[in-house]
Amino acid sequence: ETGVTQTPRHLVMGMTNKKSLKCEQHLGHNAMYWYKQSAKKPLELMFVYNFKEQTENNSVPSRFSPECPNSSHLFLHLHTLQPEDSALYLCASSQVDRQYNEQFFGPGTRLTVL
Amino acid sequence: DAKTTQPTSMDCAEGRAANLPCNHSTISGNEYVYWYRQIHSQGPQYIIHGLKNNETNEMASLIITEDRKSSTLILPHATLRDTAVYYCIGHQGGKLIFGQGTELSVKP
Repeated sequence: ETGVTQTPRHLVMGMTNKKSLKCEQHLGHNAMYWYKQSAKKPLELMFVYNFKEQTENNSVPSRFSPECPNSSHLFLHLHTLQPEDSALYLCASSQVDRQYNEQFFGPGTRLTVL
Repeated sequence: DAKTTQPTSMDCAEGRAANLPCNHSTISGNEYVYWYRQIHSQGPQYIIHGLKNNETNEMASLIITEDRKSSTLILPHATLRDTAVYYCIGHQGGKLIFGQGTELSVKP
């Protein structure tokens, strides 16, 4: 595997379900990100982890719970979601201790909440 | 991070150069300009970035004005696979703030 991978690619869940999204980066980076992209809207930054520590939570509801066990893996735990949470969830990684740090994105998980 | 302004959409004929403009008049002196693109339902893809000098790589060229208030991304020979939304982003401190971008349609 190369780059940034995300599983599953598609997920349909009910409002009472609990599910998790997984992201893995194979680039040796030290920062990872979760973004949300709703239909016809720009990407919204949700969470940032630098060196496994959460450094940004962009006022995300508590029904989204991130977990970063190491610098290569990032999870987004989902529970009691609402239909308006249906979106494309994107993971990215970067190397933050460089002068410039382009982010590399995974293919995303298309989430549908019924 | 600088606010950027881009046209909502553009068309380009296949094989011609696509020139995508971006205004970033509030950009600070040490803030890089990044370009990404997003093909439908995929993750954004990094294209190029620059600070003051013009830059070129295998994907595109980036022309930055001397006052750094605007830039142009050039795809020298657009193909149908270049149809995507192109984002111009002022980047400082590790956060990317995506706007609406320019929807580029490359037509045969």
